[in-house]
Amino acid sequence: QSALTQPASVSGSPGQSITISCTGTSSDVGAYRSVSWFQQHPGKAPKIIIYDVSNRPSGISDRFSGSKSGNTASLTISGLQAVDEADYYCCSYTNINTRVFGTGTRVTVL
Amino acid sequence: QVQLQESGPGLVKPSETLSLTCTVSGGSIRGYFWSWIRQPPEKGLEYVGYIHYGGSTNYNPSLESRVTISVDTTKNLFSLELRSLTAADTAMYYCARFDKLGSSSVHHLDVWGEGTTVIVSS
Repeated sequence: QSALTQPASVSGSPGQSITISCTGTSSDVGAYRSVSWFQQHPGKAPKIIIYDVSNRPSGISDRFSGSKSGNTASLTISGLQAVDEADYYCCSYTNINTRVFGTGTRVTVL
Repeated sequence: QVQLQESGPGLVKPSETLSLTCTVSGGSIRGYFWSWIRQPPEKGLEYVGYIHYGGSTNYNPSLESRVTISVDTTKNLFSLELRSLTAADTAMYYCARFDKLGSSSVHHLDVWGEGTTVIVSS
């Protein structure tokens, strides 16, 4: 199974909105609504911020939102803040009952 | 609040076997699926595999021939064994819990340990 494809980096100014894409195949992203997104600050463990494409766990800011179209899922961060500067990973359930992660995107707040 | 703590050797020699343990505290290991994920230095996350508290397992096909995940419900922990190590196995190794969130039909990785660094070198 190949890693899902994400842009290496995305940047934006405070207050702006940015979107991170996550492209897979018809065997993973395209086949299920079981895409999650993780935020990872330097030296820290990943933290789940979106599950099932567009749902937020309790305590996660509504500035984070998710969507999916075909084989591509997307994470949007609205009202960008300095605290959002981190690495972001998508993750999908697959047709062989495993999980596959995205290549990761570094978000920089200008 | 459930917490996970990885433990194991920080340095292992090439061709040897890595053994890591994840101790679960603040909750029971029963009723859940448990997973290992790794992250090479300056690289992305890689799914290693998972185990159900009842013992059923699932592995990343690219690692399946070298990996065994086991569980000890009496000690509230699960373990990872990775054989025939090479430098490419150098990584931060995380353990994590799978749980159903909201009305989800699929389990998601909702609680993670802080990770343990493993270096493969002679």
